[in-house]
Amino acid sequence: RKEVEQDPGPFNVPEGATVAFNCTYSNSASQSFFWYRQDCRKEPKLLMSVYSSGNEDGRFTAQLNRASQYISLLIRDSKLSDSATYLCVVNTNAGKSTFGDGTTLTVKP
Amino acid sequence: GAGVSQSPSNKVTEKGKDVELRCDPISGHTALYWYRQSLGQGLEFLIYFQGNSAPDKSGLPSDRFSAERTGGSVSTLTIQRTQQEDSAVYLCASSRGTGSRVYGYTFGSGTRLTVV
Repeated sequence: RKEVEQDPGPFNVPEGATVAFNCTYSNSASQSFFWYRQDCRKEPKLLMSVYSSGNEDGRFTAQLNRASQYISLLIRDSKLSDSATYLCVVNTNAGKSTFGDGTTLTVKP
Repeated sequence: GAGVSQSPSNKVTEKGKDVELRCDPISGHTALYWYRQSLGQGLEFLIYFQGNSAPDKSGLPSDRFSAERTGGSVSTLTIQRTQQEDSAVYLCASSRGTGSRVYGYTFGSGTRLTVV
């Protein structure tokens, strides 16, 4: 079983839709969580950290459920520019982070 | 510099040759990471440097791979006797990384390595 698992998708949604991605992690000692986005043939870029109380940044909301060991990312009012691969990232021991394989989102006009 | 700089951006090499990939992290970032990404695949951890501590080399796939970080700044990843399966994008990232607190990474644009 992978340390970090994501539904690869693809998710194809119309502009304006709300879409949610989930990610599960296997190590209960994990302490830090992030979402990154990666555009085609580009490097990953940090989208947002995920805090225990949940956090919001504009149209994006991230949540953490430690009991069930999953994190989620909600995107409201999807834009064409949101089309990308979204990577779930988990850090366990303040060292290396483990990246999920990503969920691909395509927003269509 | 303003971001993480990697060079070269593209490298084509013949099977069996050695290659060196360079990463110049953001000034002041104490943590530096190397990952690689094969086409259509996820990121694979290779090695992690944190300050003056011994590096975490647990992700290096074979003894043909090595990395060093000089003066706590620039890092070089060396692949000896390259094989076709080494073809991938090699990504370097840096972060403020102060031990127990984990910060997000800033990635460079990567080196695309093709072994022919």
